[in-house]
Amino acid sequence: LAKTTQPISMDSYEGQEVNITCSHNNIATNDYITWYQQFPSQGPRFIIQGYKTKVTNEVASLFIPADRKSSTLSLPRVSLSDTAVYYCLVGDGTGTYKYIFGTGTRLKVLA
Amino acid sequence: SAVISQKPSRDICQRGTSLTIQCQVDSQVTMMFWYRQQPGQSLTLIATANQGSEATYESGFVIDKFPISRPNLTFSTLTVSNMSPEDSSIYLCSVQKTTNTEAFFGQGTRLTVV
Repeated sequence: LAKTTQPISMDSYEGQEVNITCSHNNIATNDYITWYQQFPSQGPRFIIQGYKTKVTNEVASLFIPADRKSSTLSLPRVSLSDTAVYYCLVGDGTGTYKYIFGTGTRLKVLA
Repeated sequence: SAVISQKPSRDICQRGTSLTIQCQVDSQVTMMFWYRQQPGQSLTLIATANQGSEATYESGFVIDKFPISRPNLTFSTLTVSNMSPEDSSIYLCSVQKTTNTEAFFGQGTRLTVV
């Protein structure tokens, strides 16, 4: 059973900011929240990881509220090459290390 | 970081045969996993490959169908046994150096069973 819930798909236009929200109501105290990007015919690629508040790197920001029951991946000024599937992952709730993938969000960036 | 090499990258196999997929990592890692991704679907965890002991399988996956070896901290194999067309999928190796850290994925093995 997947531990996360995301919108199935989203469309955006080039240059816009895209926010993808993930629900993880049963996140365990010791679980981090990690986001991956997957292009067709490739393995998933790490984007960003956080535990609480806000994390920012060169490609994205991750916003996590105090209760940690959800998170939002923010992609600034998307381009056509950002068209991909985005997965939100948490631990499996037992404190171990397995990543259980949910459905992911298919982001389509339009010109 | 970790660089993962999976072999073969793709194969077409006859039903009833078996295929062994190799996963080689460029550095020692604590955890190795095998996933399956059917066309247009998300990734499903098959098992955790344990170094020096039997793999830990997820619900719906059994050792007889998907035997896994992990002889050391940089290498693992997944065998898909007695294949049927329903086994057509992409199989991915993933590694993590420690708990709750970034997972790295191989490019996957695209398997077609005819």
